[in-house]
Amino acid sequence: AQTVTQSQPEMSVQEAETVTLSCTYDTSESDYYLFWYKQPPSRQMILVIRQEAYKQQNATENRFSVNFQKAAKSFSLKISDSQLGDAAMYFCAYIQGGSEKLVFGKGMKLTVNP
Amino acid sequence: DTGVSQNPRHKITKRGQNVTFRCDPISEHNRLYWYRQTLGQGPEFLTYFQNEAQLEKSRLLSDRFSAERPKGSFSTLEIQRTEQGDSAMYLCASSFLDHEQYFGPGTRLTVT
Repeated sequence: AQTVTQSQPEMSVQEAETVTLSCTYDTSESDYYLFWYKQPPSRQMILVIRQEAYKQQNATENRFSVNFQKAAKSFSLKISDSQLGDAAMYFCAYIQGGSEKLVFGKGMKLTVNP
Repeated sequence: DTGVSQNPRHKITKRGQNVTFRCDPISEHNRLYWYRQTLGQGPEFLTYFQNEAQLEKSRLLSDRFSAERPKGSFSTLEIQRTEQGDSAMYLCASSFLDHEQYFGPGTRLTVT
């Protein structure tokens, strides 16, 4: 079974600084997709960024970028110029090609200090 | 607002009672998902619909749980004879074709 591991339960960053959130996953499949979701306190889950496994280029969305290391099965999220609104739980998630089931990690709580 | 909506947002019930939650997906999305999230954990997949057909169910979905999507639009999730272990946030998500699932705000269930 596929698993997603987020080994750091909490991190903090100063406003305007850069922070990297780590995620590893385990799969024997070659066709899959990876996602980072953000869940602010008492608010709904928001899709931050996605990465297709077949793409070598790392995905970027404004201040959010990923470092996708397929051989190492690593998928880290870098947040540049951190803002107070970035404070949230961040979940790494995996979906196998042909499946509809998202598999989530346990999440990581990010605190942004002013 | 055209996002995923869920009702009610909060539900408190006594053990043994039945509860029903509703999810309205984004209007053009043909795929609808239910997840359960307990404190300190990521969401866990429960079930998935494509249009009105329920195509996958998790082993987490015991016989006390039933989900429907009768006209391929909104969906309901019913829990019969609730137990304290059913206390969780129940999340609904929808998508169209591209694996990107958009989540609703969730229904928080507390079983006393």
